Amino acid sequence: KAGVTQTPRYLIKTRGQQVTLSCSPISGHRSVSWYQQTPGQGLQFLFEYFSETQRNKGNFPGRFSGRQFSNSRSEMNVSTLELGDSALYLCASSFRETGDYGYTFGSGTRLTVV
Amino acid sequence: AQSVTQPDIHITVSEGASLELRCNYSYGATPYLFWYVQSPGQGLQLLLKYFSGDTLVQGIKGFEAEFKRSQSSFNLRKPSVHWSDAAEYFCAVGPRLGGYQKVTFGTGTKLQVIP
Repeated sequence: KAGVTQTPRYLIKTRGQQVTLSCSPISGHRSVSWYQQTPGQGLQFLFEYFSETQRNKGNFPGRFSGRQFSNSRSEMNVSTLELGDSALYLCASSFRETGDYGYTFGSGTRLTVV
Repeated sequence: AQSVTQPDIHITVSEGASLELRCNYSYGATPYLFWYVQSPGQGLQLLLKYFSGDTLVQGIKGFEAEFKRSQSSFNLRKPSVHWSDAAEYFCAVGPRLGGYQKVTFGTGTKLQVIP
């Protein structure tokens, strides 16, 4: 079966712009989580969506937002980009009905803010 | 709050040697435990997971991990390392109950394999 698909793979944006990243989970997976990965901070949890509802949110400013659609696809948006937002953004899907947190990750979107 | 500690930032082993990567967790009860591997420029791949039962868990690529409740540890092992195992390894903990809490990752251990 197809894996988790994240688009685009690479992005270069200018400070102050906004960006939207997309994630298509594995078919049948209803939970999508987003993580920010940087060399200094490691993997930082952004938010999790389950059946179109945000279930949990990490400690990121309001400039970071997301949503999930009825087909479980998810998007995250970052507004007013800052240099520090440069990171690898990873999406992970899981089948949460049984509490199985075994994530399947996408390859990530590498965002560079200049 | 749950947390994960990987005390080794970087480890170098010779090809063919055995490997043990350390992981300690903090959680009020027995959590779900995971090991993931990340190759450069890629996402993370699940190696193995512990939910319950046998405390020695077998995973993919010849890896295994042992859950030790008394030590709050979940160390990853491999008897003979291959050059292709060079990557970064992450231990993670997830809550067993309550549904909607996040999975917390350790800071990772970067493995270098020398010939």
